[in-house]
Amino acid sequence: TQLLEQSPQFLSIQEGENLTVYCNSSSVFSSLQWYRQEPGEGPVLLVTVVTGGEVKKLKRLTFQFGDARKDSSLHITAAQPGDTGLYLCAGALGNTPLVFGKGTRLSVIA
Amino acid sequence: DAMVIQNPRYQVTQFGKPVTLSCSQTLNHNVMYWYQQKSSQAPKLLFHYYDKDFNNEADTPDNFQSRRPNTSFCFLDIRSPGLGDAAMYLCATSTRRSFGGEQFFGPGTRLTVL
Repeated sequence: TQLLEQSPQFLSIQEGENLTVYCNSSSVFSSLQWYRQEPGEGPVLLVTVVTGGEVKKLKRLTFQFGDARKDSSLHITAAQPGDTGLYLCAGALGNTPLVFGKGTRLSVIA
Repeated sequence: DAMVIQNPRYQVTQFGKPVTLSCSQTLNHNVMYWYQQKSSQAPKLLFHYYDKDFNNEADTPDNFQSRRPNTSFCFLDIRSPGLGDAAMYLCATSTRRSFGGEQFFGPGTRLTVL
């Protein structure tokens, strides 16, 4: 059973389009992180959200943590080819290592 | 810059021939992790060290071992690699205060088993 479900699994869009990817769970997380992983590299942390309902913006990326701290979304405005990669959400459950979702593989075509 | 370093970036071994992957960090973080990541999948936690305290995930094969001789270094030993062990191996660190929180990853070692 996957604790964190990410959707969609794959997404291919044209440059300039907007997109949203989702991370859902039935568990309540103390915090949630979003990572981006480019081919052949390790994941790089984009953001951490801690408070229910919290919204954080990172340039064209907007992250939201659900009110109940069970889900999160990542919205990208005007996607660019440089946004291509694997987007992973990861949740913290008490004093245990992070739980990772399976990721959304995004391809932005010029 | 403080970072997590993995060597080598690419490793080729033969079926059944032991291999060691290394990880070092300049972040002075207390926690170090080893993950296995296969193509288009999420990282799968193999084990982690909380200082010198070793924690093995229940489904990590016995074929995989780890050593952490000091705070900065951590090694992954694969005693008898099989074809199914071909993957990207990621090392990560986190601080004691945020154990289970933010992790800092190295670039990974891609292991090929012939």
